[in-house]
Amino acid sequence: EVQLVQSGAEVKKPGATVKISCKVSGYTFTDYYMHWVQQAPGKGLEWMGLVDPEDGETIYAEKFQGRVTITADTSTDTAYMELSSLRSEDTAVYYCATVFESGAFDIWGQGTMVTVSS
Amino acid sequence: DIQLTQSPSFLSASVGDRVTITCRASQGISSYLAWYQQKPGKAPKLLIYAASTLQSGVPSRFSGSGSGTEFTLTISSLQPEDFATYYCQQLNSYPRGFGPGTKVDIK
Repeated sequence: EVQLVQSGAEVKKPGATVKISCKVSGYTFTDYYMHWVQQAPGKGLEWMGLVDPEDGETIYAEKFQGRVTITADTSTDTAYMELSSLRSEDTAVYYCATVFESGAFDIWGQGTMVTVSS
Repeated sequence: DIQLTQSPSFLSASVGDRVTITCRASQGISSYLAWYQQKPGKAPKLLIYAASTLQSGVPSRFSGSGSGTEFTLTISSLQPEDFATYYCQQLNSYPRGFGPGTKVDIK
């Protein structure tokens, strides 16, 4: 079964850094880009960026450029999203997602809640 | 960047109603559009991709149409499990932006 399993909820102070993991199972990790999506409480979906696990190449949304780092560890079939200089507005659920068989995000992780609070 | 707008932003409907949601892109995206359904506390679920292709396992009451800049998602007969928020997404270029969402509520 194709699955993306994310790490657990995090609570961070303003200015800190959070790193969330997304472990892949059921397919060849390097065959598909991994995307990350942010959803603030009660708000819509915002695409953050992606990594190509094959070569580590990344594309980031301008909004997050400079604060986000997306990586892929092919030894553990795990993608990571690191967000730095956290502020209260970063309080959100973060999802990893991949385009597996269709032309869109057909496989999603369960989401990771990040709370930024002093 | 390509901007997506959705209308309406909120829709109140009854079981059995035919429901149509529109998504407009700020520039042409051919058929590179997807629709997702999201329920509270859950990850989005892909319904339609390539504007009109039904994702495997999705009921046939869902359909999509359009190309270029205007797209629609139609639910032919609304069921109780369809009350949710619906998002469109463009996959023509980066960033892979989403529309603001349409919440479908029970009348």
